[in-house]
Amino acid sequence: KQEVTQIPAALSVPEGENLVLNCSFTDSAIYNLQWFRQDPGKGLTSLLLIQSSQREQTSGRLNASLDKSSGRSTLYIAASQPGDSATYLCQRGGGGGNKLTFGTGTQLKVEL
Amino acid sequence: EAEVAQSPRYKITEKSQAVAFWCDPISGHATLYWYRQILGQGPELLVQFQDESVVDDSQLPKDRFSAERLKGVDSTLKIQPAELGDSAMYLCASSLKNTEAFFGQGTRLTVV
Repeated sequence: KQEVTQIPAALSVPEGENLVLNCSFTDSAIYNLQWFRQDPGKGLTSLLLIQSSQREQTSGRLNASLDKSSGRSTLYIAASQPGDSATYLCQRGGGGGNKLTFGTGTQLKVEL
Repeated sequence: EAEVAQSPRYKITEKSQAVAFWCDPISGHATLYWYRQILGQGPELLVQFQDESVVDDSQLPKDRFSAERLKGVDSTLKIQPAELGDSAMYLCASSLKNTEAFFGQGTRLTVV
Protein backbone atom coordinates (compact mmCIF):
# COMPACT_ATOMS: atom_id res chain seq x y z
CA LYS A 1 0.00 0.00 0.00
CA GLN A 2 1.27 3.44 -0.90
CA GLU A 3 1.74 5.56 2.21
CA VAL A 4 2.48 9.23 2.61
CA THR A 5 3.51 10.62 6.00
CA GLN A 6 4.06 14.19 7.11
CA ILE A 7 6.21 15.39 9.96
CA PRO A 8 5.59 17.25 12.16
CA ALA A 9 1.85 16.83 12.66
CA ALA A 10 1.65 20.29 14.20
CA LEU A 11 3.99 23.25 14.37
CA SER A 12 3.80 26.61 16.10
CA VAL A 13 6.36 29.30 15.28
CA PRO A 14 6.78 33.04 15.83
CA GLU A 15 6.27 35.37 12.90
CA GLY A 16 9.30 35.80 10.66
CA GLU A 17 10.80 32.36 11.09
CA ASN A 18 11.85 30.19 8.18
CA LEU A 19 10.43 26.69 8.43
CA VAL A 20 10.47 23.32 6.72
CA LEU A 21 7.63 20.84 6.40
CA ASN A 22 8.44 17.25 5.53
CA CYS A 23 6.64 14.68 3.41
CA SER A 24 7.75 11.05 2.97
CA PHE A 25 6.34 8.44 0.60
CA THR A 26 7.02 4.73 0.30
CA ASP A 27 6.76 4.25 -3.46
CA SER A 28 9.28 6.19 -5.57
CA ALA A 29 7.39 5.49 -8.81
CA ILE A 30 5.64 8.83 -8.78
CA TYR A 31 4.42 11.16 -11.52
CA ASN A 32 4.36 14.26 -9.37
CA LEU A 33 4.22 15.63 -5.84
CA GLN A 34 1.81 18.42 -5.03
CA TRP A 35 1.60 20.63 -1.95
CA PHE A 36 -1.71 22.09 -0.82
CA ARG A 37 -2.90 24.50 1.81
CA GLN A 38 -6.20 24.00 3.61
CA ASP A 39 -7.85 26.58 5.83
CA PRO A 40 -10.29 25.34 8.50
CA GLY A 41 -13.52 24.09 6.96
CA LYS A 42 -12.39 24.96 3.46
CA GLY A 43 -11.28 23.15 0.34
CA LEU A 44 -7.70 22.69 -0.84
CA THR A 45 -5.61 25.36 -2.50
CA SER A 46 -2.75 24.15 -4.67
CA LEU A 47 0.60 25.71 -3.75
CA LEU A 48 3.25 23.95 -5.79
CA LEU A 49 3.45 20.98 -8.14
CA ILE A 50 6.74 19.17 -8.77
CA GLN A 51 6.86 16.79 -11.71
CA SER A 52 8.90 13.62 -11.27
CA SER A 53 11.55 14.99 -13.64
CA GLN A 54 12.02 18.12 -11.53
CA ARG A 55 13.96 18.68 -8.32
CA GLU A 56 12.22 21.79 -7.00
CA GLN A 57 9.65 24.49 -7.61
CA THR A 58 9.43 28.01 -6.20
CA SER A 59 6.54 30.41 -5.77
CA GLY A 60 7.12 33.59 -3.80
CA ARG A 61 8.15 32.66 -0.27
CA LEU A 62 7.54 28.96 -0.90
CA ASN A 63 10.03 26.43 -2.20
CA ALA A 64 9.31 22.73 -2.60
CA SER A 65 11.90 20.06 -3.33
CA LEU A 66 11.59 16.46 -4.41
CA ASP A 67 14.04 13.61 -3.89
CA LYS A 68 12.56 10.51 -5.48
CA SER A 69 15.43 8.24 -4.49
CA SER A 70 14.89 8.87 -0.80
CA GLY A 71 11.11 9.21 -1.10
CA ARG A 72 11.01 12.70 0.37
CA SER A 73 9.70 16.14 -0.37
CA THR A 74 10.10 19.31 1.67
CA LEU A 75 8.16 22.55 1.67
CA TYR A 76 10.21 25.55 2.76
CA ILE A 77 8.37 28.67 3.89
CA ALA A 78 10.49 31.78 4.23
CA ALA A 79 9.73 34.66 6.59
CA SER A 80 6.52 33.12 7.90
CA GLN A 81 3.47 35.32 8.49
CA PRO A 82 0.29 34.83 10.56
CA GLY A 83 -1.61 34.46 7.28
CA ASP A 84 0.39 31.30 6.60
CA SER A 85 -1.45 29.57 9.45
CA ALA A 86 -3.26 26.60 7.92
CA THR A 87 -2.92 22.86 7.39
CA TYR A 88 -0.41 21.88 4.72
CA LEU A 89 -0.94 18.66 2.83
CA CYS A 90 1.32 16.86 0.40
CA GLN A 91 -0.12 14.61 -2.28
CA ARG A 92 1.71 11.94 -4.20
CA GLY A 93 0.57 11.27 -7.75
CA GLY A 94 1.51 7.98 -9.31
CA GLY A 95 0.62 4.44 -10.07
CA GLY A 96 -1.83 3.35 -12.70
CA GLY A 97 -4.12 6.17 -13.78
CA ASN A 98 -2.41 8.82 -11.65
CA LYS A 99 -3.66 7.62 -8.29
CA LEU A 100 -3.46 10.46 -5.78
CA THR A 101 -2.50 9.77 -2.17
CA PHE A 102 -2.50 12.43 0.54
CA GLY A 103 -0.40 12.73 3.63
CA THR A 104 -2.01 13.37 7.01
CA GLY A 105 -1.02 17.01 7.01
CA THR A 106 0.96 19.47 9.12
CA GLN A 107 -1.06 22.02 11.06
CA LEU A 108 0.91 25.26 11.12
CA LYS A 109 0.31 28.22 13.42
CA VAL A 110 2.33 31.38 12.98
CA GLU A 111 2.04 33.66 15.98
CA LEU A 112 2.52 37.41 16.22
CA GLU B 1 -10.50 31.71 -13.69
CA ALA B 2 -11.71 28.14 -14.21
CA GLU B 3 -12.57 26.24 -11.06
CA VAL B 4 -14.15 23.04 -9.84
CA ALA B 5 -17.72 23.66 -8.72
CA GLN B 6 -19.38 21.66 -5.97
CA SER B 7 -22.84 21.82 -4.49
CA PRO B 8 -24.23 22.04 -1.96
CA ARG B 9 -21.60 23.64 0.27
CA TYR B 10 -23.27 22.33 3.40
CA LYS B 11 -25.72 19.51 3.97
CA ILE B 12 -27.40 18.27 7.13
CA THR B 13 -29.31 15.02 6.87
CA GLU B 14 -30.81 12.49 9.22
CA LYS B 15 -29.30 9.02 9.38
CA SER B 16 -30.90 6.49 7.04
CA GLN B 17 -31.79 9.24 4.57
CA ALA B 18 -30.34 9.54 1.07
CA VAL B 19 -27.98 12.39 0.16
CA ALA B 20 -26.31 13.43 -3.10
CA PHE B 21 -23.43 15.70 -3.97
CA TRP B 22 -22.65 17.26 -7.34
CA CYS B 23 -19.35 18.22 -8.93
CA ASP B 24 -18.60 20.07 -12.16
CA PRO B 25 -14.89 19.79 -13.06
CA ILE B 26 -12.79 22.27 -14.98
CA SER B 27 -13.70 22.12 -18.65
CA GLY B 28 -11.55 19.64 -20.53
CA HIS B 29 -10.34 17.76 -17.47
CA ALA B 30 -10.81 14.07 -18.17
CA THR B 31 -9.87 12.88 -14.69
CA LEU B 32 -12.27 13.46 -11.81
CA TYR B 33 -11.77 12.43 -8.19
CA TRP B 34 -14.04 12.23 -5.16
CA TYR B 35 -12.41 12.36 -1.73
CA ARG B 36 -13.71 12.10 1.82
CA GLN B 37 -11.96 14.03 4.57
CA ILE B 38 -12.77 13.30 8.18
CA LEU B 39 -11.95 16.16 10.56
CA GLY B 40 -8.26 16.17 11.46
CA GLN B 41 -7.26 13.68 8.78
CA GLY B 42 -5.98 13.87 5.21
CA PRO B 43 -8.38 13.32 2.30
CA GLU B 44 -9.07 9.71 1.36
CA LEU B 45 -9.79 8.79 -2.25
CA LEU B 46 -13.27 7.32 -2.73
CA VAL B 47 -13.47 7.07 -6.52
CA GLN B 48 -11.53 8.17 -9.57
CA PHE B 49 -12.97 8.58 -13.07
CA GLN B 50 -11.21 8.80 -16.39
CA ASP B 51 -13.84 10.30 -18.65
CA GLU B 52 -16.99 8.28 -17.85
CA SER B 53 -15.14 5.17 -16.66
CA VAL B 54 -14.27 4.29 -13.08
CA VAL B 55 -10.49 3.85 -12.70
CA ASP B 56 -10.38 3.20 -8.96
CA ASP B 57 -13.23 2.69 -6.50
CA SER B 58 -11.42 0.32 -4.17
CA GLN B 59 -12.08 2.53 -1.12
CA LEU B 60 -15.72 3.28 -1.94
CA PRO B 61 -18.17 1.59 0.48
CA LYS B 62 -20.27 0.15 -2.29
CA ASP B 63 -23.06 -1.07 -0.05
CA ARG B 64 -24.17 2.52 0.50
CA PHE B 65 -22.10 4.78 -1.78
CA SER B 66 -22.42 5.18 -5.52
CA ALA B 67 -20.84 7.55 -8.01
CA GLU B 68 -21.51 8.25 -11.63
CA ARG B 69 -20.18 10.42 -14.42
CA LEU B 70 -22.51 9.48 -17.22
CA LYS B 71 -21.35 11.87 -19.94
CA GLY B 72 -17.77 12.18 -18.76
CA VAL B 73 -18.28 15.73 -17.52
CA ASP B 74 -20.05 16.41 -14.22
CA SER B 75 -20.41 13.79 -11.54
CA THR B 76 -22.73 12.82 -8.68
CA LEU B 77 -21.82 11.03 -5.46
CA LYS B 78 -24.69 9.45 -3.55
CA ILE B 79 -25.00 7.94 -0.09
CA GLN B 80 -28.00 5.80 0.79
CA PRO B 81 -28.64 5.28 3.62
CA ALA B 82 -26.48 7.84 5.39
CA GLU B 83 -24.86 6.85 8.68
CA LEU B 84 -23.50 8.99 11.50
CA GLY B 85 -19.93 8.03 10.55
CA ASP B 86 -20.40 9.54 7.10
CA SER B 87 -20.15 13.04 8.54
CA ALA B 88 -17.16 14.56 6.77
CA MET B 89 -16.03 16.95 4.05
CA TYR B 90 -16.51 15.54 0.56
CA LEU B 91 -14.05 16.99 -1.93
CA CYS B 92 -14.09 16.82 -5.70
CA ALA B 93 -11.01 17.40 -7.85
CA SER B 94 -10.18 17.32 -11.53
CA SER B 95 -7.05 17.19 -13.63
CA LEU B 96 -5.67 16.60 -17.06
CA LYS B 97 -3.80 13.31 -17.30
CA ASN B 98 -0.93 13.09 -14.77
CA THR B 99 -0.93 16.81 -14.06
CA GLU B 100 -1.88 19.23 -11.32
CA ALA B 101 -5.13 18.48 -9.53
CA PHE B 102 -7.57 21.30 -8.75
CA PHE B 103 -10.03 21.00 -5.89
CA GLY B 104 -13.47 22.40 -5.29
CA GLN B 105 -14.53 24.01 -2.02
CA GLY B 106 -16.11 20.77 -0.85
CA THR B 107 -19.43 19.74 0.63
CA ARG B 108 -19.55 19.49 4.40
CA LEU B 109 -21.97 16.72 5.38
CA THR B 110 -23.39 16.37 8.86
CA VAL B 111 -25.47 13.30 9.62
CA VAL B 112 -27.67 13.60 12.71
